[in-house]
Amino acid sequence: AQSVTQPDIHITVSEGASLELRCNYSYGATPYLFWYVQSPGQGLQLLLKYFSGDTLVQGIKGFEAEFKRSQSSFNLRKPSVHWSDAAEYFCAVGAMEYGNKLVFGAGTILRVKS
Amino acid sequence: DAGVTQSPTHLIKTRGQQVTLRCSPKSGHDTVSWYQQALGQGPQFIFQYYEEEERQRGNFPDRFSGHQFPNYSSELNVNALLLGDSALYLCASTPQGPGGTEAFFGQGTRLTVV
Repeated sequence: AQSVTQPDIHITVSEGASLELRCNYSYGATPYLFWYVQSPGQGLQLLLKYFSGDTLVQGIKGFEAEFKRSQSSFNLRKPSVHWSDAAEYFCAVGAMEYGNKLVFGAGTILRVKS
Repeated sequence: DAGVTQSPTHLIKTRGQQVTLRCSPKSGHDTVSWYQQALGQGPQFIFQYYEEEERQRGNFPDRFSGHQFPNYSSELNVNALLLGDSALYLCASTPQGPGGTEAFFGQGTRLTVV
């Protein structure tokens, strides 16, 4: 079965501190991997995506993620968090074999303290 | 570019009623997918439309149906509403048919069933 696990429901970091959000997936096909961010009451904004090639991908707003096939992980990182990064973050997986429907994790709520 | 637009933004319906939600995909996109996001959860795939046909369906009952028009816009219909149908409904569009990759999301329609 296809599934995405985000182990941390909530994470609180201080402004300026580094951030890592975890994502593990189980998928029966070559995955495409995504990180989306959602502000309260809003839709989803794509932060970054991995399709193939370099396993370290850069996204918007200073975010990056690393695909580790051996660990079935796609963790999101940011070296220095800003107060405006407070939001909910979703990891998602898709595959061309499945028509690119996305399977999402349950999300991680990021709180930033000043 | 207007991106993905959804209407209405908010909706309140009574249990047992029927509702129609609308989505206009991003310019150049021909595939529309619908997702349901219950409070505190990640989005769940409902179905996907391409060339005016339902191409994939998630684990949702037949009360959920859809349509795609020649201009690629789409509707989501839900019959016999239940309290549990209260959620944020997200529309996503992708280019190049179901084999397309990056999905762009609208801001969603917040449905409340009372």
